[in-house]
Amino acid sequence: DVKVTQSSRYLVKRTGEKVFLECVQDMDHENMFWYRQDPGLGLRLIYFSYDVKMKEKGDIPEGYSVSREKKERFSLILESASTNQTSMYLCASSLGRGPTDTQYFGPGTRLTVL
Amino acid sequence: GEDVEQSLFLSVREGDSSVINCTYTDSSSTYLYWYKQEPGAGLQLLTYIFSNMDMKQDQRLTVLLNKKDKHLSLRIADTQTGDSAIYFCAEKGGGNKLTFGTGTQLKVEL
Repeated sequence: DVKVTQSSRYLVKRTGEKVFLECVQDMDHENMFWYRQDPGLGLRLIYFSYDVKMKEKGDIPEGYSVSREKKERFSLILESASTNQTSMYLCASSLGRGPTDTQYFGPGTRLTVL
Repeated sequence: GEDVEQSLFLSVREGDSSVINCTYTDSSSTYLYWYKQEPGAGLQLLTYIFSNMDMKQDQRLTVLLNKKDKHLSLRIADTQTGDSAIYFCAEKGGGNKLTFGTGTQLKVEL
């Protein structure tokens, strides 16, 4: 069974703080993704990675960066958190990039920036 | 760019059928997916359909695809309270990235 874990379920930070969201998968998946979920907007892709030390911008990368030093771990970094980054953050992983390669999701981190 | 739209809310009575609709714009979509998100949880893949199919059935779930109109639907037969969740459709286009819809909140009433 694929397991994707995220470091925190709930997080409260102050404006201007540096925030790290961690994601770990245990199935040796090549690909990892970070999304944010907002009501009425669905899921929007922030960044993704197809291999260790590789990263690609998604649809809304502004204000975020990522790090993938090890295959199983993909970190999302908010260099200077702002209130408009209050959201639910979802991490996902998949084995390959083909159309039948399912993305498996973690439980999410609800981040509040005050 | 790609756009995937869904209605935001659907309310049904227990035992009735639910039909959740989705429209997409990317004509190069290869696979279309339905995900379910229960309260406080991540997304779980329910089913998917290849773009050259028009129907797929999996137990209580039926997926219908009208490729000409770029319309996808998910029918849940005999809807139960445990089906209450947010349902997302998603499409995978030429870039192999998933584009998600806005999500439909399904509420099942007794």
